[in-house]
Amino acid sequence: GAVVSQHPSWVICKSGTSVKIECRSLDFQATTMFWYRQFPKQSLMLMATSNEGSKATYEQGVEKDKFLINHASLTLSTLTVTSAHPEDSSFYICSAKLNHQETQYFGPGTRLLVL
Amino acid sequence: GDSVTQMEGPVTLSEEAFLTINCTYTATGYPSLFWYVQYPGEGLQLLLKATKADDKGSNKGFEATYRKETTSFHLEKGSVQVSDSAVYFCALSDSGYALNFGKGTSLLVTP
Repeated sequence: GAVVSQHPSWVICKSGTSVKIECRSLDFQATTMFWYRQFPKQSLMLMATSNEGSKATYEQGVEKDKFLINHASLTLSTLTVTSAHPEDSSFYICSAKLNHQETQYFGPGTRLLVL
Repeated sequence: GDSVTQMEGPVTLSEEAFLTINCTYTATGYPSLFWYVQYPGEGLQLLLKATKADDKGSNKGFEATYRKETTSFHLEKGSVQVSDSAVYFCALSDSGYALNFGKGTSLLVTP
C-alpha cells in the first residue's frame, strides 16, 4: 500500500527557533498533501492543503507566515514552524493523496515540544 | 459547518466481545464517510469507507453502514481481538478533498 513518512518523529526546540517537518510519499506521487494538527484528546484539525508547485491553501485561523508550507516535488512537502512558541507544541500529521482519488494516506506524525 | 461527533472513550472490552463505536455527522451536502484506525506508534490507516446512503463499508471484520436518515456511520465488529486495540477516528469528506475528523475513540481489548 501507499506509504507516507514524516521526519522527524519528534522534536524538542527552544522558544523562538524554527522547526522543519518533512512529509514524503515513498512509493507514489502525491499531487496533494495535507497538514493536520492534533491536540491531546482532540480531533485532527486541517491546517492547510498543499498542491505541488503552487502555494498552499490555509484554513481560517492558521497563520501562513508562521506555518510555512512548501510542496516542491510530487513526493515531498515540508512544514516549517517559524519562531516557535510553547503554544505551538502539538502533534503534526501529514497526509497525501493521488490525483482524482479520495483516499488519503497518513504519515505517522511528528510530535513538537517547544520549551 | 460540517462536523463529526463520535463517542467518548476509552472503550475497554474483553476479547471476543461485540464492539460498537457511535459516529454521527452534520453536513450540508452528501459527504463520503470514513473510519480510520491508528495503531500505537503508527499513522492513521483507512479502515473502511462509504460514499453514499445505505452503502456498507467493511474490512477486517469491521462494518459501518451509511445511514442518511439518522446521519450516522456507526462502527461495529462482532468479535474483537487484542490486536484491534487502537484509536478509531470517524471522518467525513464533503468535497472529496479535505477530511473532517471526530475526536477519536480509544479501544482497549483485554485477553
